[in-house]
Amino acid sequence: GAVVSQHPSRVICKSGTSVKIECRSLDFQATTMFWYRQFPKQSLMLMATSNEGSKATYEQGVEKDKFLINHASLTLSTLTVTSAHPEDSSFYICSARTGSDGAQHFGDGTRLSIL
Amino acid sequence: AQTVTQSQPEMSVQEAETVTLSCTYDTSESNYYLFWYKQPPSRQMILVIRQEAYKQQNATENRFSVNFQKAAKSFSLKISDSQLGDTAMYFCAFMKGQGAQKLVFGQGTRLTINP
Repeated sequence: GAVVSQHPSRVICKSGTSVKIECRSLDFQATTMFWYRQFPKQSLMLMATSNEGSKATYEQGVEKDKFLINHASLTLSTLTVTSAHPEDSSFYICSARTGSDGAQHFGDGTRLSIL
Repeated sequence: AQTVTQSQPEMSVQEAETVTLSCTYDTSESNYYLFWYKQPPSRQMILVIRQEAYKQQNATENRFSVNFQKAAKSFSLKISDSQLGDTAMYFCAFMKGQGAQKLVFGQGTRLTINP
């Protein structure tokens, strides 16, 4: 149980393109999901907390207009990187918390490369 | 604000040996959770073990166990009979028991198991 699916796993696109990443909880409902960014050989940096049916809560320094988050259902949150530029290239990973064990379970991540 | 510190950037042991990864944290909360996550080269984030702060008994999961010292704010991970598949980055993480329930990660320890 507690499976989180993230899609796509890899994206390569041109500068100026908008990219949408999906995060789904497959076997549980998640009122809250989390989006992280990870640079090579570094820890995970929380970008925002995605709340079902309401606005996301962004961490300090994260541009909400650049990283659009939508959490329209109890099993799906999306992160859209708008007008992506090479500096947005990174590994993005989502997580969702289950009520049963209190832990956050992670998707497999998305490697985004902007040319 | 909570902080998590992993003082060992890298560790290396021989297969079948026992290894202990260190983690300390700082918080004024009384109700919280602690976790160890494993991130192999595939970059999946895999939950290894969790501990609730109110439980005095140390958590164990097969070859993985923790030494939770609440007063010292220490949460080390012991891996017994280490296997080649244990090679990964290991992240210690803290989560408050209430509120936003965001994960705060340590810097990570890169563990290599040598044949």
